[in-house]
Amino acid sequence: GDSVTQMEGPVTLSEEAFLTINCTYTATGYPSLFWYVQYPGEGLQLLLKATKADDKGSNKGFEATYRKETTSFHLEKGSVQVSDSAVYFCALSSNTGNQFYFGTGTSLTVIP
Amino acid sequence: EAGVAQSPRYKIIEKRQSVAFWCNPISGHATLYWYQQILGQGPKLLIQFQNNGVVDDSQLPKDRFSAERLKGVDSTLKIQPAKLEDSAVYLCASSLASGPRYEQYFGPGTRLTVT
Repeated sequence: GDSVTQMEGPVTLSEEAFLTINCTYTATGYPSLFWYVQYPGEGLQLLLKATKADDKGSNKGFEATYRKETTSFHLEKGSVQVSDSAVYFCALSSNTGNQFYFGTGTSLTVIP
Repeated sequence: EAGVAQSPRYKIIEKRQSVAFWCNPISGHATLYWYQQILGQGPKLLIQFQNNGVVDDSQLPKDRFSAERLKGVDSTLKIQPAKLEDSAVYLCASSLASGPRYEQYFGPGTRLTVT
């Protein structure tokens, strides 16, 4: 069945460092892909999404490109800030849109 | 715009007891989701409603879990009887409609501890 595999954390970076969080997926057909973020004490929020191959989602300096050939949707940011400290979840929505699959989450801590 | 509301925020019960969670989605959102998030794992979809009808409950353990969305607005999720492995955060989310084009908005969750 459909699934998402996300790099394990926790990840600790210094401020202004480059961030990559890997995400690969298994799905039949053409799913939509998402990154959600959960800040401490808050609910999950959509960070960015891509609905077809080669689409690039971007928001708040974060980017991810839907790569069908490598079945990947890696999250990147060129220069992280302390305020980016959170847990990041990769997610997939199946063709029908009725099933939503989340990865296990990657905890990011950015130190000044 | 008010977000998705959930209550209670925390609940501690003993195994074999029953518990209920409440969710009030964003006004006008037709689709409502309940997720279970066990510590160290990603959220797992339990049930999806479209208005007051069930779209998908394939991962809901129906022998002990039940959910309803009367009048297509608020929803309750019940566990009866609870087991130790039900300890998790229960997340409610809502969206304007069903499908990947529509963003899901999540509530803060209810953290359940079963002892």
